[in-house]
Amino acid sequence: QSVLTQPSSVSGAPGQRVTIFCAGSRSNVGAGYDVHWYQQLPRTAPKLLIYGSIIRPSGVPDRFSGSKSGTSASLAISGLQAEDEADYYCQSYDSSLSDWVFGGGTKLTVL
Amino acid sequence: QITLRESGPTLVKPTQTLTLTCTFSGLSRSSGGAGMGWFRQPPEKALEWLALIYWDGNTRYSPSLKNRLTITKDTSKNQVVLTMTDLDPVDTATYYCAHSTYHDSAGLYFDYWGQGTLVTVSS
Repeated sequence: QSVLTQPSSVSGAPGQRVTIFCAGSRSNVGAGYDVHWYQQLPRTAPKLLIYGSIIRPSGVPDRFSGSKSGTSASLAISGLQAEDEADYYCQSYDSSLSDWVFGGGTKLTVL
Repeated sequence: QITLRESGPTLVKPTQTLTLTCTFSGLSRSSGGAGMGWFRQPPEKALEWLALIYWDGNTRYSPSLKNRLTITKDTSKNQVVLTMTDLDPVDTATYYCAHSTYHDSAGLYFDYWGQGTLVTVSS
């Protein structure tokens, strides 16, 4: 059971917008620790997609956006493209566990 | 150009010790960043953080695995090494190394990753 909770899967048609939620608790996201998002394309290493909850690294399309509120965070992907089909992971720090923690991952299917 | 590459055995027997090396280029204390970390991902499962070594040599370990892990660095060789003792089949996973960066306004995150190396624990 992951410390951060994500839906196991989401789907959307090309051009649509999907949102992936990441639920934490008062010892991680709710304690003010930032949430970071990673995209893992099939059979590849994770790639940093969003850091500091809302910041896109250079080269990441602005179709990807992050937000954080209370004990949760979310990743929104607009204008879905076939190449967005991947697993997405949220990550934060948990002060109770003294651990950098990940969500269980969400598989995005582009219909 | 920033590159990271993991190397080590692909097959380890139960109870043996695993030693993995991350060789990197384009990264150093002078280029910024907090340090280097190790992660693993069992087949079809989620990512798990294992260990972190800061450029100043301080180390952090996953509390659930800290008794089995040692992380070291050799700055002259641009390498970070992870040692895990007493391997079990449940340790079968792809192991990744990654560079970490810290900002007061963004926290600590992992911005550059190696391609990963699959380690199978089996007799």
